[in-house]
Amino acid sequence: GQNIDQPTEMTATEGAIVQINCTYQTSGFNGLFWYQQHAGEAPTFLSYNVLDGLEEKGRFSSFLSRSKGYSYLLLKELQMKDSASYLCAVLDSNYQLIWGAGTKLIIKP
Amino acid sequence: EAQVTQNPRYLITVTGKKLTVTCSQNMNHEYMSWYRQDPGLGLRQIYYSMNVEVTDKGDVPEGYKVSRKEKRNFPLILESPSPNQTSLYFCASTRKEYNEQFFGPGTRLTVL
Repeated sequence: GQNIDQPTEMTATEGAIVQINCTYQTSGFNGLFWYQQHAGEAPTFLSYNVLDGLEEKGRFSSFLSRSKGYSYLLLKELQMKDSASYLCAVLDSNYQLIWGAGTKLIIKP
Repeated sequence: EAQVTQNPRYLITVTGKKLTVTCSQNMNHEYMSWYRQDPGLGLRQIYYSMNVEVTDKGDVPEGYKVSRKEKRNFPLILESPSPNQTSLYFCASTRKEYNEQFFGPGTRLTVL
């Protein structure tokens, strides 16, 4: 079967750095997405990785290792507004998105 | 403004009463999807459409119908809703399957 694993919940301090991990086992791979979802709202796109390595976009970076079936989302200089769920999703060989259950990130002052 | 709209945003209904949730996008996207989101389960795809008159089942299609008569609209139909369809529903659109998805604001459905 196809599976995406992420921690259920993480807590971090305002101003700090946090790394949210995602591991996947899917039938094929055509890219990995990270989305942010605030409570009660729609997911919004953060990043897309299809090649190995680190993609940096402001305070957010996303890393991919295809050989290890592993990705992480790195959030720097955490702000209270970063409190949200972070969803990892993999595009499989049929170009279907397989979604993780999401990681709820709690930021404390 | 580029957006995906859904209506209604909230709906409480009773078992067996047919309902339709509308979804419309103004970005000329070919690919549209319906998801349901339940606590601890993440997003699960119900149906998707790769273009007008082309629809296909996702992971959890039972109890749902869709249609795609026009590019911009992709309504979700529950012919005979049941309590296990109580959920948060999202419509999404994208230019191609491998592009970022744009989500509607969500429809919170309760079936009593």
